[in-house]
Amino acid sequence: AIQLTQSPSSLSASVGDRVTITCRASQGISITLACAWYQQKPGKAPKLLIYDASSLESGVPSRFSGGGSGTDFTLTISSLQPEDFATYYCQVFNIYPPPFGGGTKVEIK
Amino acid sequence: EVQLVESGGVVVQPGGSLRLSCAASGFTFDDYAMHWVRQAPGKGLEWVSLVTWDGVTTYYADSVKGRFTISRDNSKNSLYLQMNSLRVEDTALYYCAKSAKERHFDWLLSHWGQGTLVTVSS
Repeated sequence: AIQLTQSPSSLSASVGDRVTITCRASQGISITLACAWYQQKPGKAPKLLIYDASSLESGVPSRFSGGGSGTDFTLTISSLQPEDFATYYCQVFNIYPPPFGGGTKVEIK
Repeated sequence: EVQLVESGGVVVQPGGSLRLSCAASGFTFDDYAMHWVRQAPGKGLEWVSLVTWDGVTTYYADSVKGRFTISRDNSKNSLYLQMNSLRVEDTALYYCAKSAKERHFDWLLSHWGQGTLVTVSS
């Protein structure tokens, strides 16, 4: 089964900073991997942010963007806002079993 | 507005059984595949199971295959997870989640409930 490795596992940043999180799949396969990103705040359910690597879910602020292809994907927050402090998970959603990354916790510096 | 409300989580002994339920509203339930995803305390997300919109096809994570059964009742807009032979490592918050795309087969999850806590302990 494909495994997803997120880096870093945690980071400290300030409001206004540009933040990039990476997600790497353990192997490529014969189909194009479809990547999604979720945000989870403490005590809350995950929320879909991005799908198909770079498509923004309706209602998600444009400071969030996704990129990458093949086995390497990124989530970028262009200007970190106070409400963005959370844990972020990547997922490949077009293979079985669908893996999640281990998460990246974004904390306030 | 999509709403997913899970229930049924309790403390259960190893080897025991439990049935989780998820009540769905705000969308045409029988047009979407549904999922269970779990999160152990302080840990990441683990997909558990999927059932297609018609209830015909199901998928399971290897960690629960043969012990858990997913089902749905479209007449009641409800999703279920029957959990048997529970293990300590099944302790987690169990989320019900809706597939993003109508009558489409993948694991993109557009909406999540707030979860129900299952604790397996003697």
